[in-house]
Amino acid sequence: ETGVTQSPTHLIKTRGQQVTLRCSSQSGHNTVSWYQQALGQGPQFIFQYYREEENGRGNFPPRFSGLQFPNYSSELNVNALELDDSALYLCASSLAGSGANVLTFGAGSRLTVL
Amino acid sequence: AQSVTQPDIHITVSEGASLELRCNYSYGATPYLFWYVQSPGQGLQLLLKYFSGDTLVQGIKGFEAEFKRSQSSFNLRKPSVHWSDAAEYFCAVGARGGGGNKLTFGTGTQLKVEL
Repeated sequence: ETGVTQSPTHLIKTRGQQVTLRCSSQSGHNTVSWYQQALGQGPQFIFQYYREEENGRGNFPPRFSGLQFPNYSSELNVNALELDDSALYLCASSLAGSGANVLTFGAGSRLTVL
Repeated sequence: AQSVTQPDIHITVSEGASLELRCNYSYGATPYLFWYVQSPGQGLQLLLKYFSGDTLVQGIKGFEAEFKRSQSSFNLRKPSVHWSDAAEYFCAVGARGGGGNKLTFGTGTQLKVEL
């Protein structure tokens, strides 16, 4: 079975720009969640998608948005980038009902905002 | 609101020595508890989890953790550390019943292994 894959692995943007990060779920998983990991910190929950709808959100502003597609892949979009958005963005997939919270993480997309 | 405290930011141990990484959580009921490991440039790998039952749980790579309700702790242990265990370790708590996949992580403990 394939794991969780994320793209791109690294990217650099400037303040005010917009970014889209992509995630392919592990085979057989139907739920995707996104986490932000700032340097020296633990990951923080951004939101979760199930059946193509957001069904849980952390303390992040609306300029963080996402999508889940019929094949369970997902996108994270961040508008009006700020310097503090520089972080590692982790995607995690799971199978709803199989044992909540057992997440498989991807290697992440490292975003640098200049 | 749930929270996790990992009081040790850095720990250095000699190869072959025993290891204990501390984790304290705050949650109103019995939570789901996890330990993840992150190597440089990598995502998070699940070491072990506690959902219910036996309070001593075994994980991969020879790690184990013990859930102590009275101390709100879930410390990670390994009897003999290998140089390849050098990495960052995160303890996480998940909510039961509708909490979905929201995990709350601690700030991590960086483990250095001296040869």
